[in-house]
Amino acid sequence: NAGVTQTPKFQVLKTGQSMTLQCAQDMNHNSMYWYRQDPGMGLRLIYYSASEGTTDKGEVPNGYNVSRLNKREFSLRLESAAPSQTSVYFCASRYAGTGEQYFGPGTRLTVT
Amino acid sequence: QKEVEQDPGPLSVPEGAIVSLNCTYSNSAFQYFMWYRQYSRKGPELLMYTYSSGNKEDGRFTAQVDKSSKYISLFIRDSQPSDSATYLCAPPRGFQKLVFGTGTRLLVSP
Repeated sequence: NAGVTQTPKFQVLKTGQSMTLQCAQDMNHNSMYWYRQDPGMGLRLIYYSASEGTTDKGEVPNGYNVSRLNKREFSLRLESAAPSQTSVYFCASRYAGTGEQYFGPGTRLTVT
Repeated sequence: QKEVEQDPGPLSVPEGAIVSLNCTYSNSAFQYFMWYRQYSRKGPELLMYTYSSGNKEDGRFTAQVDKSSKYISLFIRDSQPSDSATYLCAPPRGFQKLVFGTGTRLLVSP
């Protein structure tokens, strides 16, 4: 049982480049999330998807877009990367029974 | 003021010590609280959760909530080097979201 998987694990981009971070879960959860984690800032919610076909903005959505491709997959796209988007990105899915969120291993992104 | 605040640490203790990790919150609507543990370069994982009254014990871990002072504590007994991690307090906001504190980094030395 893989849980939540994320690709890639590491990425270096130049300012202005675009990329898509991929996330998949095999726990049949309806809700999925994208967070970024920066030193001293904790985990901040970028976007979430309460169910297949819906997405909503979180705390820090500017500069990002998301796609809920199906129940399993939720991708995060940076259209024009900026150094301020250097961070560790975590995807999570939520078990409705307890509200517990299960996290992936993270993607370390550096924008130069 | 942030809704959830934690001292970032690091908190350094010797093996076997009793550890107290604390979290304060400002939103009276929070009904229960989750503690997540995050090892270095890993994603957070749920350690335990507790409702907004009393204590909950799970092995060496005890979570305590003082609703009147909006103060949450996580106690670790007989701390081990494997407990070295960042501990995040996370009350749910509404049905879908969690509000994460910045976390407290704990270092347990052998």
